[in-house]
Amino acid sequence: EAGVVQSPRYKIIEKKQPVAFWCNPISGHNTLYWYRQNLGQGPELLIRYENEEAVDDSQLPKDRFSAERLKGVDSTLKIQPAELGDSAVYLCASSFRAGGSAFFGQGTRLTVV
Amino acid sequence: RKEVEQDPGPFNVPEGATVAFNCTYSNSASQSFFWYRQDCRKEPKLLMSVYSSGNEDGRFTAQLNRASQYISLLIRDSKLSDSATYLCVVNIQTGANNLFFGTGTRLTVIP
Repeated sequence: EAGVVQSPRYKIIEKKQPVAFWCNPISGHNTLYWYRQNLGQGPELLIRYENEEAVDDSQLPKDRFSAERLKGVDSTLKIQPAELGDSAVYLCASSFRAGGSAFFGQGTRLTVV
Repeated sequence: RKEVEQDPGPFNVPEGATVAFNCTYSNSASQSFFWYRQDCRKEPKLLMSVYSSGNEDGRFTAQLNRASQYISLLIRDSKLSDSATYLCVVNIQTGANNLFFGTGTRLTVIP
């Protein structure tokens, strides 16, 4: 069975440019998370979806970040415009139910220059 | 205050040693607990869930102390391949119902 798939693996962009990350969760997993991880830190939640509904986006910087999961399957996270401080690894995870063990994709390593 | 706190380490132990990590959580409504392992430049991977009665998986033992609000991970007979960062994860089911991660504890097993 395929795991969580993310793309791209790496992205380098100039500040003020837009960037988008894509995630396809494990089949049948209704819960989808986007996390951001800085070096030496644990993952920090950005947004959680239950099917197509964003049930917790309280930590998403809404002035520049947006996300969608239109059909309740794959999801896209966008940053526009990117800032230097956005450099991090963006991880997508999915679980069968909220609060259950989550499985992560390989992440997208974003570098903003 | 952070939801989950861990000693970042690093813990440097010789092969064959026993090592233990603790993690504290702040919300008494926490219901699910996990340990994840993260290798350098890789994604976190589930190591084991933590059950109220404690549980064991080979050389790994996890314990939960609800009264003191901490969980622990014990690794016996450490192997070089155990070198990684171990992340403590807590689910708080009231309100957010999200998974909260600690900063991780770095373990290096030395030959």
